[in-house]
Amino acid sequence: DQQVKQNSPSLSVQEGRISILNCDYTNSMFDYFLWYKKYPAEGPTFLISISSIKDKNEDGRFTVFLNKSAKHLSLHIVPSQPGDSAVYFCAASGPGTYKYIFGTGTRLKVLA
Amino acid sequence: EPEVTQTPSHQVTQMGQEVILRCVPISNHLYFYWYRQILGQKVEFLVSFYNNEISEKSEIFDDQFSVERPDGSNFTLKIRSTKLEDSAMYFCASTQTGGLTEAFFGQGTRLTVV
Repeated sequence: DQQVKQNSPSLSVQEGRISILNCDYTNSMFDYFLWYKKYPAEGPTFLISISSIKDKNEDGRFTVFLNKSAKHLSLHIVPSQPGDSAVYFCAASGPGTYKYIFGTGTRLKVLA
Repeated sequence: EPEVTQTPSHQVTQMGQEVILRCVPISNHLYFYWYRQILGQKVEFLVSFYNNEISEKSEIFDDQFSVERPDGSNFTLKIRSTKLEDSAMYFCASTQTGGLTEAFFGQGTRLTVV
């Protein structure tokens, strides 16, 4: 059941540059998408979300883009900071359910 | 800032034993969830709970699992007879409303079944 996929298990970026994390989904009924950040031995921390009626949402250094026709979303972090080094999960939810379907995560390493 | 708290942080148990994982959701939240993450795998939904009853559960959440909100503040996950494959990080989460809102997760309980 791979309804939400993050095809890049890891990503390395220089400090100050842009980090772009990608996520693809297969279920066209999903209407709410989220990005979570996770440090080892901690729970996921909410970063940013977007509903399917929008194609962009911005919060400080974090911007999420949603391309519904391609069933693709991305998280842009700019400028990237060493403290951003963590595993990033995208998650999706659909109508009639409050559960999230998570992707497998992308480990971001921001190099100083 | 309000947070979801989970206890214990780490639980080691013998196969076949019962375990209870505890969570205190954010106080004004109404929807409660358990997720788990087996080492190296993705976070998986187990169950959601609203108005003192299960609203949704996954196929993982079989008869060995149960949830309860015994006193209006705690939210517990019980595994009746643990198996080796139950070893995972278990995360509790809560939301203020249902749908189109972010869930707040606890720091997790690492369950090790030996």
